[in-house]
Amino acid sequence: LAKTTQPISMDSYEGQEVNITCSHNNIATNDYITWYQQFPSQGPRFIIQGYKTKVTNEVASLFIPADRKSSTLSLPRVSLSDTAVYYCLVGDNAGNNRKLIWGLGTSLAVNP
Amino acid sequence: DVKVTQSSRYLVKRTGEKVFLECVQDMDHENMFWYRQDPGLGLRLIYFSYDVKMKEKGDIPEGYSVSREKKERFSLILESASTNQTSMYLCASSPLADRPNIQYFGAGTRLSVL
Repeated sequence: LAKTTQPISMDSYEGQEVNITCSHNNIATNDYITWYQQFPSQGPRFIIQGYKTKVTNEVASLFIPADRKSSTLSLPRVSLSDTAVYYCLVGDNAGNNRKLIWGLGTSLAVNP
Repeated sequence: DVKVTQSSRYLVKRTGEKVFLECVQDMDHENMFWYRQDPGLGLRLIYFSYDVKMKEKGDIPEGYSVSREKKERFSLILESASTNQTSMYLCASSPLADRPNIQYFGAGTRLSVL
C-alpha cells in the first residue's frame, strides 16, 4: 500500500505562494492523488485531485511529476483565511475504499 | 451542495455505555465512511459502506460496529464505550462513480468518554 508523508507544519505570510509536498513512493497505477483542507471544528473539504502532470482550479494547483512518487499542492497568494490543515490522500478509483491512504496533515499558518 | 449531517457536535458518555453516532447525507451517495481523528494520527478509517446493509472494516474497527439500513443513513455504534474512544468522529460520503476518494464530510462529533 502507498504510504503518504507530508510536512507536519509550514509557515507563510499573506500574499506568498505556498507549496506543500506529499511523498507517496509506493503509489499504484490506479491511484489518484487528492488534497483536502480542514479548518478547526469542521470536517475536511475537497480542494483538488489529479492523476499526473498538472491540474489547476480556482483554488489551487496540483503538480505531479512523471514518476508520480510525490505531488505538490500550490496555493497562490495565500491569505489569513488559508490557515488550516491540509491533507494528502492517495487511493485508487476501482471502488476499493480500503486503499485510501491519508497523510497525517500539514498545518499551515499564514501570518500577516 | 452536498450536505452530510452528524446528529451531535459534542457528546459526553460514561465508560461502558452504548453510544450511537448518526450520520445522514442528502446526495444519494452510495459510499459512506466513519473516521476518527486524533492529534498526530490524522484520519483513521473505522468502517465504510458501499451499499445498504453492506459494510467493510477499515483500519481500526475494534470496539465499533455500524449499521446502514437506509441509503442516506450510516450509524456508528460503540458497544461499550471506553476512555480510549474519546476522539473526534467524522462521517463522510462519496458517489460510487469513478473517483471514490472525493469525499464529503460532516462537521464531526467530539465524543468524550469519562
